[in-house]
Amino acid sequence: NAGVTQTPKFRVLKTGQSMTLLCAQDMNHEYMYWYRQDPGMGLRLIHYSVGEGTTAKGEVPDGYNVSRLKKQNFLLGLESAAPSQTSVYFCASSSRRQTGTGGSEQYFGPGTRLTVT
Amino acid sequence: GNSVTQMEGPVTLSEEAFLTINCTYTATGYPSLFWYVQYPGEGLQLLLKATKADDKGSNKGFEATYRKETTSFHLEKGSVQVSDSAVYFCALPINAGGTSYGKLTFGQGTILTVHP
Repeated sequence: NAGVTQTPKFRVLKTGQSMTLLCAQDMNHEYMYWYRQDPGMGLRLIHYSVGEGTTAKGEVPDGYNVSRLKKQNFLLGLESAAPSQTSVYFCASSSRRQTGTGGSEQYFGPGTRLTVT
Repeated sequence: GNSVTQMEGPVTLSEEAFLTINCTYTATGYPSLFWYVQYPGEGLQLLLKATKADDKGSNKGFEATYRKETTSFHLEKGSVQVSDSAVYFCALPINAGGTSYGKLTFGQGTILTVHP
């Protein structure tokens, strides 16, 4: 059981280049999320998905696009990378089934460290 | 929506010292509460959780009690080890019920460093 995996682990881009980060989960979770983590800023939600074929904006969606063509995969795209997008990106997933009085835990991938020069 | 305030630190302790990291929340109803830990170079992983008032979550020697009277979920450990050095995040659902779609709101994180 691999849980949540992310590829690549590291990437360096030049300003204006594009790339796609791949997230895969094998827990049959309905919900998936993309976060970025920056020093002193905690975790910020970029986009999320509540099911195959659906996506929604989070707290900081500008400059990013996402797709969820298959239930197990959630892709994050940067069409024209900017230095402000230098960050560590985490994918997470959770089950629609509620835990106790409300709220299921999220399961995180190991992260992708992206540098834009 | 719900919100969480977490002691930011950083916290530096000697091995075998007692640890407390404060977390208070504002929420509608009584949501589940979570503590996550992030070891250097890794993703977040669930450390413990509590699903109702007065519940005590525990794992790896860490404990946290769901206190509805004080709206708190403080993390404690009686004797920390060097291997506990990590960033700790308190979290809860962003709002009540099914409209949260599993989204969580996280504290800013507390960096813990334990010296031998």
